[in-house]
Amino acid sequence: GDSVTQMEGPVTLSEEACLTINCTYTATGYPSLFWYVQYPGEGLQLLLKATKADDKGSNKGFEATYRKETTSFHLEKGSVQVSDSAVYFCALSKGGTSYGKLTFGQGTILTVHP
Amino acid sequence: NAGVTQTPKFQVLKTGQSMTLQCAQDMNHEYMSWYRQDPGMGLRLIHYSVGAGITDQGEVPNGYNVSRSTTEDFPLRLLSAAPSQTSVYFCASSYVFGRTNTEAFFGQGTRLTVV
Repeated sequence: GDSVTQMEGPVTLSEEACLTINCTYTATGYPSLFWYVQYPGEGLQLLLKATKADDKGSNKGFEATYRKETTSFHLEKGSVQVSDSAVYFCALSKGGTSYGKLTFGQGTILTVHP
Repeated sequence: NAGVTQTPKFQVLKTGQSMTLQCAQDMNHEYMSWYRQDPGMGLRLIHYSVGAGITDQGEVPNGYNVSRSTTEDFPLRLLSAAPSQTSVYFCASSYVFGRTNTEAFFGQGTRLTVV
């Protein structure tokens, strides 16, 4: 079946450091790929998405590129802030009968210190 | 906009009790889902619905029932609570536009403890 694997966490960084959270997937066909963020005590929010190979999703300084050849969708940010502290989830969705269903990675806890 | 509303936010049950987690959305989305979040395991799909009157099982459906009588509501029923059902539950609704354009919107979650 489909699966998503994220790098082991948690990740602890100082403010203004560079961030990369690795995400790889296994799926048949052409899934759409997502990064969701969960701030403490809240539900998940969409951070960015990409729907086809070589697409780059971006939002709030975060970026991720859909790499079909390496089945990856790594999340990057050049300079993190304390307010970026959250749990980050990589996920995929497929069309057809799988509309509305997401397959998630295990999540990566990010803590940013001043 | 209310978006996706879940109630209650917190619940403690005794083993064997039953209860219903409520979920309502006001975005007229056809697709709705229930997930559970457990440490180190991400979110796993329990049940989902592609429209009123249509539901199907996800990855971890045992011990849970759902129904979808309206577009807006998608309640999740725990039939006989077990400690293994201690988790945080999230409801989501999704739109689909075209072949691949989709986005899910999540509720705030229900933290359930079964003792």
